[in-house]
Amino acid sequence: RKEVEQDPGPFNVPEGATVAFNCTYSNSASQSFFWYRQDCRKEPKLLMSVYSSGNEDGRFTAQLNRASQYISLLIRDSKLSDSATYLCVVNRGYGGSQGNLIFGKGTKLSVKP
Amino acid sequence: EPEVTQTPSHQVTQMGQEVILRCVPISNHLYFYWYRQILGQKVEFLVSFYNNEISEKSEIFDDQFSVERPDGSNFTLKIRSTKLEDSAMYFCASSESTGRIQYFGAGTRLSVL
Repeated sequence: RKEVEQDPGPFNVPEGATVAFNCTYSNSASQSFFWYRQDCRKEPKLLMSVYSSGNEDGRFTAQLNRASQYISLLIRDSKLSDSATYLCVVNRGYGGSQGNLIFGKGTKLSVKP
Repeated sequence: EPEVTQTPSHQVTQMGQEVILRCVPISNHLYFYWYRQILGQKVEFLVSFYNNEISEKSEIFDDQFSVERPDGSNFTLKIRSTKLEDSAMYFCASSESTGRIQYFGAGTRLSVL
């Protein structure tokens, strides 16, 4: 099983659509979970951290299910500017490796007018 | 807003040459990281650095690679003898503490000819 696995995409959606991304991770010791977005040939930028209780930031909602080792991201009322690759990111979780981030390959989202 | 800065933005070098990629982490951050992303692939962890020493390194980070914090602000990645397969985007990141959010620089695109 890959360390972090995401829907391969691409997702092509019209403006205003709701889109959901899913991610699974293999290391049960992981403690920190994030969604980053990456525009073409740019650096990853933090979108939001993900907590067990779930968290929401405007149009974005993230959920974490530790038992299933599953993370999700929901984008409501998608905008053209949401077009990017969405990266599921997990830390390695143990000892000195807590800071080492493991990235999924990302899911590309294209929002069309 | 504080940011991680990287120089140069693009480095072209001949195979076998040494390159030094430079990073200035966010000033109050204590943990520093290097990642790389080969075109079309996922972001991969290279090395983490804390308290003037390497905390952890991946199997990619072999003897050709080294990191240094030569002064109070810079954090460098040196590749001693570049290979064609070292061509990638190299991202520097920093965080306040391990397991916390990592902020990424804009990256250095390394092209080995």
